[in-house]
Amino acid sequence: QKEVEQNSGPLSVPEGAIASLNCTYSDRGSQSFFWYRQYSGKSPELIMSIYSNGDKEDGRFTAQLNKASQYVSLLIRDSQPSDSATYLCAVTNNAGNMLTFGGGTRLMVKP
Amino acid sequence: EAQVTQNPRYLITVTGKKLTVTCSQNMNHEYMSWYRQDPGLGLRQIYYSMNVEVTDKGDVPEGYKVSRKEKRNFPLILESPSPNQTSLYFCASSSYRGPGNQPQHFGDGTRLSIL
Repeated sequence: QKEVEQNSGPLSVPEGAIASLNCTYSDRGSQSFFWYRQYSGKSPELIMSIYSNGDKEDGRFTAQLNKASQYVSLLIRDSQPSDSATYLCAVTNNAGNMLTFGGGTRLMVKP
Repeated sequence: EAQVTQNPRYLITVTGKKLTVTCSQNMNHEYMSWYRQDPGLGLRQIYYSMNVEVTDKGDVPEGYKVSRKEKRNFPLILESPSPNQTSLYFCASSSYRGPGNQPQHFGDGTRLSIL
């Protein structure tokens, strides 16, 4: 059974701080890694994708991937109250046709 | 506007009464998928389809059926619903290379309650 694990939180950070979200996965054949943001009562929306080891930056977001450690992380710089949401880590299988999600980490950014 | 449309958005029904949740996308996407979301469990994939007439089981297919007769539609069928299928359901689509290479577009979700 493929597993993707996240700390459920809530992770509480003050406005302007860096939020660090972590995810581990069990399938060594996984090829693609994603972070989705989900506001309460809404559908998930993709915010970051990463396919190779290292860092990938997009605005205030940085995704980090370490395949040897089977670890993916998301850093949110200058956190804003509007970043308060649940962040879902998702990992594909080797074929890239199935997506496994973690349980999500609830982030709360306090003004 | 590019979108994935699910219907109904909310449904309360009783055990054993067959139901269908429809999903339609207007982006000419080859790949479509159904997920269910339960508290603390994230989204779990029920079924997916790589193209017309091609469907495969996801991680939790038991109790569900799907069909893909047309590219734009991917209905989810519960032949004999049971209370453990009470959940929030999402349909998603992406272009031909599937979720590994292309972002998925999600519908707004369908909240099913089975009594």
